[in-house]
Amino acid sequence: EIVMTQSPATVSVSPGERVTLSCRASQSVSIHLAWYQQKSGQAPRLLIYNGSTRATGIPARFSGSGSGTEFTLTISSLQSEDFAVYYCQQYNNWPPWTFGQGTKVEVK
Amino acid sequence: QLQLRESGSGLVKPSQTLSLTCAVSGGSISGDYSCTWFRQSPGKGLEWIGYIYHTGTTDYNPSLKGRVTISVDRSKNQFSLNLRSVTAADTAIYYCARGIRYFDSWGQGTLVTVSS
Repeated sequence: EIVMTQSPATVSVSPGERVTLSCRASQSVSIHLAWYQQKSGQAPRLLIYNGSTRATGIPARFSGSGSGTEFTLTISSLQSEDFAVYYCQQYNNWPPWTFGQGTKVEVK
Repeated sequence: QLQLRESGSGLVKPSQTLSLTCAVSGGSISGDYSCTWFRQSPGKGLEWIGYIYHTGTTDYNPSLKGRVTISVDRSKNQFSLNLRSVTAADTAIYYCARGIRYFDSWGQGTLVTVSS
């Protein structure tokens, strides 16, 4: 089973700032990585798939990069609605699909 | 716009069966629609339960030790999840999602508590 590790666990950011989240896989997942946003009491929402492709309706301030074992999600200018928990998920070797433990983006 | 909605028993007694339905609206589940079930609890994060591929093929998380069954009723445009012999460890929010690699539509989730 591929283990996904996200860092940091929590990041404190002011609105308008840029934030970069990291995700590392225990073995290569090629580009088969997705990012999700989850707000309190809501389901995960797909942001990015194939490492860098934005899902339908996702604003351009969200961007993904990376391949192999190292990936990043960048939010270029944080909006108030972006405070949430972000998860990465690999789908190179499935099942099982495995998720990171999440990074919480909180207000500074 | 495709919408998924989970429903079912919110409180289940230990050793009984958890039964949930995922109703799909705004589109048909015919064709290449696959459904995957997840659950989320504070201690374990997001955990894969199982899936049903558009061909009808199913696969389940081995950690659930043969307790789980996922099925589809295309006439009702819905999927079902049954988890047998539940314990307190099965208490979680359960989600259905569309997809088989990444998941682009999710239900709102339903909390299932296992308690006597």
